[in-house]
Amino acid sequence: KQEVTQIPAALSVPEGENLVLNCSFTDSAIYNLQWFRQDPGKGLTSLLLIQSSQREQTSGRLNASLDKSSGRSTLYIAASQPGDSATYLCAVDPHKLSFGAGTTVTVRA
Amino acid sequence: GAVVSQHPSWVICKSGTSVKIECRSLDFQATTMFWYRQFPKQSLMLMATSNEGSKATYEQGVEKDKFLINHASLTLSTLTVTSAHPEDSSFYICSARGLSETGELFFGEGSRLTVL
Repeated sequence: KQEVTQIPAALSVPEGENLVLNCSFTDSAIYNLQWFRQDPGKGLTSLLLIQSSQREQTSGRLNASLDKSSGRSTLYIAASQPGDSATYLCAVDPHKLSFGAGTTVTVRA
Repeated sequence: GAVVSQHPSWVICKSGTSVKIECRSLDFQATTMFWYRQFPKQSLMLMATSNEGSKATYEQGVEKDKFLINHASLTLSTLTVTSAHPEDSSFYICSARGLSETGELFFGEGSRLTVL
C-alpha cells in the first residue's frame, strides 16, 4: 500500500522567504504526482502535476521536483506572500490518489 | 483548468434523514469520479471510486449501504448519505478525472455535512 508522508506538518515564515515543502512516498511505481492547495473549509486546487517521466514542473513562483527512485518530491514557493497561507497536499497516483497529511503554511506579513 | 462543481456546499439535517450531494464536471466529461471524506485537520480519505455506467468501488471499511454512489452520466455523480447520524458529519469532496493522458484530477469545492 502506498504511504505518503509530508514534512513538516506546519511551517510559519515571514513574507518574502522561500518555502520548501517535502513529500515522500513508499512505492515508486507511480503514474504521476500532484501538488494541491487547500484553503480552510474549501476544496482542493491543483497547483502542479508531474508525470512519472518528468523531473520537475514550474508555474510562476512554484516549482516542483520529482525523484521517483528515492520516492521524493519537493515543492518550492519563491518569495512567499501572505496569500500563500494554506495547507499544501501532495498526492501520488497509480489509478487513485494517495494523499499526504499536508503541510500547513502561514506566511506572516 | 477544468471545473468541478459540488452542491450543496453545506447542509444541516436531522438524524435519520438522507442527504444527497452532487458532483458535476462542468466543461469536460469525467469517466471516473472519486469521493473523499475529510475530518478536521486531517487529509482526505478515499471512500469510493465511481465509473460512469457501472457500480462504484468502495474502499475497505466504507459502508456501501450507508454511502450510495451513482454515476449515471459522464458529467454527474451523486453521493447519498442514507439515514445520517451525527458521526457522519464531515467534509465530503469529490474529484473527477478527465480524458487527458496526464490523468490530472480536478476537485470540487467540498460539501460540509452536519447531522444534528
